[in-house]
Amino acid sequence: QKEVEQNSGPLSVPEGAIASLNCTYSDRGSQSFFWYRQYSGKSPELIMSIYSNGDKEDGRFTAQLNKASQYVSLLIRDSQPSDSATYLCAVKRSSARQLTFGSGTQLTVLP
Amino acid sequence: DAGVIQSPRHEVTEMGQEVTLRCKPISGHDYLFWYRQTMMRGLELLIYFNNNVPIDDSGMPEDRFSAKMPNASFSTLKIQPSEPRDSAVYFCASSTRPGRQVWETQYFGPGTRLLVL
Repeated sequence: QKEVEQNSGPLSVPEGAIASLNCTYSDRGSQSFFWYRQYSGKSPELIMSIYSNGDKEDGRFTAQLNKASQYVSLLIRDSQPSDSATYLCAVKRSSARQLTFGSGTQLTVLP
Repeated sequence: DAGVIQSPRHEVTEMGQEVTLRCKPISGHDYLFWYRQTMMRGLELLIYFNNNVPIDDSGMPEDRFSAKMPNASFSTLKIQPSEPRDSAVYFCASSTRPGRQVWETQYFGPGTRLLVL
């Protein structure tokens, strides 16, 4: 089992819809959770971080964390074509500095 | 701030040649990470430094890979000899933990696209 698993996609949603991206992790010692966005040919860029159970909202983005289920998700409301990218889920144990990344979900928002 | 700087941005070399990738972290950041990204394996951590000291190099694939951080503003990743399977995008990232913040943000450089023929 991979430490961090994501559906590779591709996931296609129409413009204006809600895109839902999911991630599961295997290490119960994981404490911090991150969503990075990576446009084709570019470097990963942090868009959300969460470390408490529940929801965290930032503009059109909402991160959801459920540590009991070892599940973290990212919702993108009112999806725009500019949101088309690969979204990487990353987790970090409290004692560690390094991140473990999932393989990413490719999202396409259709105009 | 200029962000994390990497050079070269693209490198094409022949099998057996030495390759040196360079990274300048964000000023004031005390952690530096080297990652490799491929379609097959995704984004993998190779090694990371804290205050110029290597902390975890368990991700370094084999002895052909080596990394150094001679000072707080410069790090290198060297592959000698290079092989076609080393072809990937290599990212450098840096971070720090200001104050009592629970986590720190890793900022990635633009990456070096390496092609070994």
